[in-house]
Amino acid sequence: QVQLVQSGAEVKKPGASVKVSCKASGYTFTSYGISWVRQAPGQGLEWMGWISAYNGNTNYAQKLQGRVTMTTDTSTSTAYMELRSLRSDDTAVYYCARGKLWSNFDYWGQGTLVTVSS
Amino acid sequence: QSVLTQPPSVSGAPGQRVTISCTGSSSNIGAGYDVHWYQQLPGTAPKLLIYGNSNRPSGVPDRFSGSKSGTSASLAITGLQAEDEADYYCQSYDSSLSGPWVFGGGTKLTVL
Repeated sequence: QVQLVQSGAEVKKPGASVKVSCKASGYTFTSYGISWVRQAPGQGLEWMGWISAYNGNTNYAQKLQGRVTMTTDTSTSTAYMELRSLRSDDTAVYYCARGKLWSNFDYWGQGTLVTVSS
Repeated sequence: QSVLTQPPSVSGAPGQRVTISCTGSSSNIGAGYDVHWYQQLPGTAPKLLIYGNSNRPSGVPDRFSGSKSGTSASLAITGLQAEDEADYYCQSYDSSLSGPWVFGGGTKLTVL
């Protein structure tokens, strides 16, 4: 069965960076892309970006351009999301989700809480 | 301010029918892009509920249905059950700088 398993919770200081991992199993990793979606406490879903696991092409949300980098390691079927220059309003649960270009997100990771606090 | 507009909350009694609207524009739903719906139970990750405007993934009860017309879409839930109490999000593709993937602000469904 398809599974996306994310790394554990993180606590970071403002200005620091965080890197969250998402290990995929149960399907051919390179046949799909991975999107990252975050959810601030009590708020809705915000799409952050997408990476093709086939060729590494990326598409980032405009508001995060320059602060976010998404990568994949096809040898371990793992996707990564790094967010730099963290601010308090980056505190959120970060989800990875499987999806092809133009399409929906059919499987989601369990979420990773990132807390930014001094 | 979300690109797709949903009502913040809806409610209904067990057994009733409720609908949740999702209003977009000519750069997303009105441009012909598909609408997808997700259900998020408290404390859990979102789950795909409806894809491609009106299709249900395997395992989703037929009490859930979706439709799309013009620049809007709707999710209907019939035979409301207590376990349906959750947050619901619509999602589409957007050709403006807001995208390409955009979500609605979410709707909290309360089963009375």
